[in-house]
Amino acid sequence: QKEVEQNSGPLSVPEGAIASLNCTYSDRGSQSFFWYRQYSGKSPELIMFIYSNGDKEDGRFTAQLNKASQYVSLLIRDSQPSDSATYLCAVKGSGGYQKVTFGTGTKLQVIP
Amino acid sequence: NAGVMQNPRHLVRRRGQEARLRCSPVKGHSHVYWYRQLPEEGLKFMVYLQKENIIDESGMPKERFSAEFPKEGPSILRIQQVVRGDSAAYFCASSQSGVVNTEAFFGQGTRLTVV
Repeated sequence: QKEVEQNSGPLSVPEGAIASLNCTYSDRGSQSFFWYRQYSGKSPELIMFIYSNGDKEDGRFTAQLNKASQYVSLLIRDSQPSDSATYLCAVKGSGGYQKVTFGTGTKLQVIP
Repeated sequence: NAGVMQNPRHLVRRRGQEARLRCSPVKGHSHVYWYRQLPEEGLKFMVYLQKENIIDESGMPKERFSAEFPKEGPSILRIQQVVRGDSAAYFCASSQSGVVNTEAFFGQGTRLTVV
């Protein structure tokens, strides 16, 4: 089992719709969860982080965390073509080194 | 990209030459990660280092590739005798140890082209 799993996509949504991106992780003791966005040819940039169970909202973005199910998601409301990118889920582990492990990313396409 | 510096940004090497990629982490960060990314593909983990130690090199090919993060100076990813298949973007990220709720920051990447 991969440590952090994401569906590679592409996930296609029409402009204005809600895009839902999902991620599961294997380290039950993980405490910190991050979403990065990577545009083609660019480096990943952090867009959201969440540490506690439940929802965290920031503008059009909502991160959801369910530690019991080892599941974290990112919702993008009112999707825009400029949101088209690859979204990477990252998990900071519970071990002594607190390694940050990335999923391979989900490619999102917002269709105008 | 709060301060992770990678150089060079672009590197062209002939087959058989050596490539040396450098990464200076955010000041105060003692953990460095190297990733490889082929066009239109996801990030592939290569190696995770702490100062003077390799913690996890499970993603790095056993031959021709090596990485170090010395006490002083940048982290180096070294590829010996490069082949066309090594052409990719190589990203470095750094994070802070001892603090759980902090993220990893990425550098701009080095685009390696083997001709």
